[in-house]
Amino acid sequence: GESVGLHLPTLSVQEGDNSIINCAYSNSASDYFIWYKQESGKGPQFIIDIRSNMDKRQGQRVTVLLNKTVKHLSLQIAATQPGDSAVYFCAENSGYSTLTFGKGTMLLVSP
Amino acid sequence: DSGVTQTPKHLITATGQRVTLRCSPRSGDLSVYWYQQSLDQGLQFLIQYYNGEERAKGNILERFSAQQFPDLHSELNLSSLELGDSALYFCASSPRDTEAFFGQGTRLTVV
Repeated sequence: GESVGLHLPTLSVQEGDNSIINCAYSNSASDYFIWYKQESGKGPQFIIDIRSNMDKRQGQRVTVLLNKTVKHLSLQIAATQPGDSAVYFCAENSGYSTLTFGKGTMLLVSP
Repeated sequence: DSGVTQTPKHLITATGQRVTLRCSPRSGDLSVYWYQQSLDQGLQFLIQYYNGEERAKGNILERFSAQQFPDLHSELNLSSLELGDSALYFCASSPRDTEAFFGQGTRLTVV
């Protein structure tokens, strides 16, 4: 089965709220994780990544947290905007950058 | 725009037929990956090439094959097509063993 999974298929938030999308992984040997955003009709778009020697990494309005103890990733989006509406995938590097993707969480942002 | 180009964008074909999907990676990227995205299976890694050589293989059927040419573009060949092969096929490229950049995908419909 998949080693990376998302618990909630849909997250609905109001514009301006902070969003948190969670992901569990099962391969404790994984050392690199990526969050992707996929808008309708488009390919996955890189958002942010984190290596296993880090607990937190920040980008523009996004933060990824990694908890290796419980094998959990989260993506935090600050001040969520309607343009953030998309499906978000976490992915685990299985070696040579071959990625194992979770099933995805759809983020719906209401104006 | 990720810099990865896939053609065609849409393809409709009959069962039993063979099709070829084409991918041009980002300039300078040596690694090319193919992924299949379907509603029930999510994003699944198929195969990876690095500088013309097969590097990793995922859940790729024997009816499917790929290659990477000296100019680094890649083709994914799907033969003896079945209805269940209908999906989005993504190509991605990477400069190194880190994040992969995805193309816009080819939507294959088998009728």
